Amino acid sequence: QSALTQPPSASGSPGQSVTISCTGSASDIGTYTRVSWYQQPPGKAPTLIIYDVVKRPSGVPDRFSASKSGNTASLTVSGLQAEDEADYYCASYAGSNTYVFGTGTKVSVL
Amino acid sequence: QVQLQESGPGLVKPSQALSLTCTVSGDPITSGDYYWSWIRQPPGKGLEWLGNIYHRGSTSYNPSLKSRVSISMDTSKNEFSLKLSSVTAADTAVYFCARLGGMLAFDKWGQGAPVTVSS
Repeated sequence: QSALTQPPSASGSPGQSVTISCTGSASDIGTYTRVSWYQQPPGKAPTLIIYDVVKRPSGVPDRFSASKSGNTASLTVSGLQAEDEADYYCASYAGSNTYVFGTGTKVSVL
Repeated sequence: QVQLQESGPGLVKPSQALSLTCTVSGDPITSGDYYWSWIRQPPGKGLEWLGNIYHRGSTSYNPSLKSRVSISMDTSKNEFSLKLSSVTAADTAVYFCARLGGMLAFDKWGQGAPVTVSS
């Protein structure tokens, strides 16, 4: 069970968009639609921002959107705001009641 | 509003066992179709799923740690626990407990408990 691959960093100016990729395999993202994304501000616990590939929990702004194609999932943050500066992690169901996280991406707002 | 809180020793000696407890408040741990999970984060690194327990007692573990990890539940205290045996410095991390919802996403998290493995 290998970690999903994310770029180490991404950045954008306020108001711009940033997209983060999350690459897995046919054993996880490629087979299951149970992909989720988490936001982790520095020194804090992660919070769920996307589940079931594209769905947002109540209270999560629609500036956060996501998709999946093949073995790769993506998260887009539109209209970047200073408060979006955080680490972002993807996760996927990997079969047999197991889960795998991505390597994490640090998003900076320039 | 469900809340989770980790507790346990912040320092463990190498080769010993790490034990942490997650106390759930706001809802019985047996209600709903939830799994209860442990996730860790070494300093400066990413998240690693350790395992789940269902209130009916079934468990599942990360294959890379399966021989060392054990998760149990005490429904009378509304808590679940992690035991990681034979720890080394590589097990130094912040340990989070979390709720895995029906959508198979971790929708509630504790604040995290830092654990250092050192003699």
